[in-house]
Amino acid sequence: RKEVEQDPGPFNVPEGATVAFNCTYSNSASQSFFWYRQDCRKEPKLLMSVYSSGNEDGRFTAQLNRASQYISLLIRDSKLSDSATYLCVVTTANTGNQFYFGTGTSLTVIP
Amino acid sequence: NAGVTQTPKFRVLKTGQSMTLLCAQDMNHEYMYWYRQDPGMGLRLIHYSVGEGTTAKGEVPDGYNVSRLKKQNFLLGLESAAPSQTSVYFCASNRDRAGQPQHFGDGTRLSIL
Repeated sequence: RKEVEQDPGPFNVPEGATVAFNCTYSNSASQSFFWYRQDCRKEPKLLMSVYSSGNEDGRFTAQLNRASQYISLLIRDSKLSDSATYLCVVTTANTGNQFYFGTGTSLTVIP
Repeated sequence: NAGVTQTPKFRVLKTGQSMTLLCAQDMNHEYMYWYRQDPGMGLRLIHYSVGEGTTAKGEVPDGYNVSRLKKQNFLLGLESAAPSQTSVYFCASNRDRAGQPQHFGDGTRLSIL
């Protein structure tokens, strides 16, 4: 079983739409959670950390459900520039600070 | 502040050749990592280091060696390149404190003919 699983998509949405991605993780001992964004042929870049109480950064909202072991990312008022692949990332304390990456969810925002 | 710098950016090798990829970070991070990314596979950890002079195997270590002689540098070596090692290689680093995200270099695109 993979440590982190994501729906690969693709998600194709019109500008201004709201879109949500989910991610599940297998290890209940996981400690830290992140969403990264990766543009085509570029390096992953941190979008936001995910905190237990949920957190928001502008149009982006991240939530964590430890009981169900899933993480979500909500993007409101989608922009063309939001088109990218979104990676769910989890770290587990008992693995020497290794980071586990999902394979990513592809988003295309259409004019 | 350069962050994480990878050299070279692109390289084409012939099967059996050797080469070293260099990763340098100027953020005084303790942890450093080498990943490869292939289409449809996501990021896979090759080797990582939790401090100067230490290295450990990740998910796909075969065919690669690493060294961390200085805290700021993490080298990835291919002793005898194979076509299966054609990939995009990313280096990353982070602080050894809980909740710290990884910072990535902009990648090395390696083709083995």
